[in-house]
Amino acid sequence: QSALTQPASVSGSPGQSITISCTGTSSDVGAYNYVSWYQHYPGKAPKLMIFEVNNRPSGVPDRFSGSKSGNTASLTISGLQTEDESHYYCTSYTTSSTLVFGGGTKLTVL
Amino acid sequence: EVQLLESGGGLVQPGGSLRLSCAASGFRFSSYAMSWVRQAPGKGLEWVSAIVGSGGSTYYAASVKGRFTISRDNSKNTLYLNLNSLRVEDTAAYYCAKGLDSSGHYFGVGMDVWGQGTTVTVSS
Repeated sequence: QSALTQPASVSGSPGQSITISCTGTSSDVGAYNYVSWYQHYPGKAPKLMIFEVNNRPSGVPDRFSGSKSGNTASLTISGLQTEDESHYYCTSYTTSSTLVFGGGTKLTVL
Repeated sequence: EVQLLESGGGLVQPGGSLRLSCAASGFRFSSYAMSWVRQAPGKGLEWVSAIVGSGGSTYYAASVKGRFTISRDNSKNTLYLNLNSLRVEDTAAYYCAKGLDSSGHYFGVGMDVWGQGTTVTVSS
């Protein structure tokens, strides 16, 4: 199972919006609505930001939203804040009954 | 407070074995699937294995299948990962994570609680 494809890095200014894409195949992203997004600061525990494509756990700001079209999922962060600077990973359940992560995207808030 | 605490990491030679543990507290452990996820130095997150709440079904990434074994003791609220035939490329921080779905069957929905990780180093 190959990793999902994410851009290595994205950047934006405070207050702007950014979108991180996550491209898979018909065997993972395209097969189920089981796409999740995680925020990960190095050395810390990852944090669930979005589950089942577009659902936010309690406590996650509504600035974070998710979507999916075909084999590509996306995470959008609106109203960027400096504390959003982190690494973001997508993951999807697969038809092989496994989970596959994306390679990760480093978000820089300029 | 919902918490996960990993232990058991360390330095091991190639071909060696280790057993990782993850002590859970603050939630009904048996009701949730659990996963192990790792991060090699300088690399991204990689899902390793999952087990349903009852322990009756287990799942593995191709990279560890046949070498790693996931298990759980619901009476002790503890998740385990037995690592055998270790390779240099297994060097990583290993995290345990709680599944979001309370039926205990589905580990793919999302992982909402994570431990701080335990480090495994495979080197001669």
